Amino acid sequence: QQQVKQSPQSLIVQKGGISIINCAYENTAFDYFPWYQQFPGKGPALLIAIRPDVSEKKEGRFTISFNKSAKQFSLHIMDSQPGDSATYFCAASNERAAGNKLTFGGGTRVLVKP
Amino acid sequence: DGGITQSPKYLFRKEGQNVTLSCEQNLNHDAMYWYRQDPGQGLRLIYYSQIVNDFQKGDIAEGYSVSREKKESFPLTVTSAQKNPTAFYLCASSLPGLRNTIYFGEGSWLTVV
Repeated sequence: QQQVKQSPQSLIVQKGGISIINCAYENTAFDYFPWYQQFPGKGPALLIAIRPDVSEKKEGRFTISFNKSAKQFSLHIMDSQPGDSATYFCAASNERAAGNKLTFGGGTRVLVKP
Repeated sequence: DGGITQSPKYLFRKEGQNVTLSCEQNLNHDAMYWYRQDPGQGLRLIYYSQIVNDFQKGDIAEGYSVSREKKESFPLTVTSAQKNPTAFYLCASSLPGLRNTIYFGEGSWLTVV
């Protein structure tokens, strides 16, 4: 059973455009929602993360929007650049549970065309 | 530099053979994890360990085994009981507790031939 559903599976955006990736979760005990960026053949790297006490977090061109009542969160990449072309994973965890385990979405492959 | 080192990067296995993937970290992290990545399915947790000499099954532990004899090392053995082992395997580590980031290694590609 997939506890974190991510969409779309792939996305093509022109340089300078906005990339939007959406995730929905089921487990109401989740209280930590990171996004990871992965380049081909590399391990994922933490991009930005949010906790449910805020509805939005912005770091540079990357913004997370969080809707607790809908159990949804999304990543917006503003002014998308070719260097942003990568696979993006949303994830969720219950930080109070043992193990600090992350549950990942299925990933979104983003291609930014120059 | 501190980080997580996985080896080998590429590994080919014949059916019926066990193989062991190495993971070493010098970040002084207590917790370590193994994830499996398949196209379109994100990352799935195989095993995790919070302290030395202790480890727990994740969501897809069948056909895998691990050991945690040293804080720095968390090797994963893919046994012949794993029916579909071809995948990208990622090792990760973190400090325990709240608000601690999980860091990933570069991954190991395993192909069954």
